[in-house]
Amino acid sequence: GQNIDQPTEMTATEGAIVQINCTYQTSGFNGLFWYQQHAGEAPTFLSYNVLDGLEEKGRFSSFLSRSKGYSYLLLKELQMKDSASYLCAVRPLSGGSYIPTFGRGTSLIVHP
Amino acid sequence: EAQVTQNPRYLITVTGKKLTVTCSQNMNHEYMSWYRQDPGLGLRQIYYSMNVEVTDKGDVPEGYKVSRKEKRNFPLILESPSPNQTSLYFCASSLRRLAGDRELFFGEGSRLTVL
Repeated sequence: GQNIDQPTEMTATEGAIVQINCTYQTSGFNGLFWYQQHAGEAPTFLSYNVLDGLEEKGRFSSFLSRSKGYSYLLLKELQMKDSASYLCAVRPLSGGSYIPTFGRGTSLIVHP
Repeated sequence: EAQVTQNPRYLITVTGKKLTVTCSQNMNHEYMSWYRQDPGLGLRQIYYSMNVEVTDKGDVPEGYKVSRKEKRNFPLILESPSPNQTSLYFCASSLRRLAGDRELFFGEGSRLTVL
């Protein structure tokens, strides 16, 4: 089975930097996703890590440590529109299926 | 435009009245899946399909049925809806391949209320 933990809610100030953590326990690992979801909308893809290290994409970066079962999403120069839920999802390695399991999401509130 | 299309987007129905939520993707994806999303519980997988005529249960399949007769379509069927199936439903699809991101593409969601 799999267990994915991330904080329920975080708040930050416009212009600041915020780090959203995700820890996971899985029987096999084949990649970790981060998705952004605004209220009432579909999740949209942010990043994918399969190897250890930092992947940078504009204001957003994602880090993975497979040995620690740990990832974080780093958001820089926060904007009001970054207020959303951020979902960590782990893709297991089992029987050839690539079905990700999602954490419960972290609701990020950005205030002026 | 590459997309996953769900219908209806909003539906209010009554207990026991059969309904179907359709899902169609135009990206030739092998993998399709249905999720429900409830406050505090996140996205939970209902059923998934790795290819045509291949379906399997996810974490919360009770009360739902699916079929995959064509690659592009993956309807979700509620034979006898109950109030605890009131939720926001998402259909998603991706390529099934060994390399690459294999990201999930989501439909816009279907908000279902069962009275």
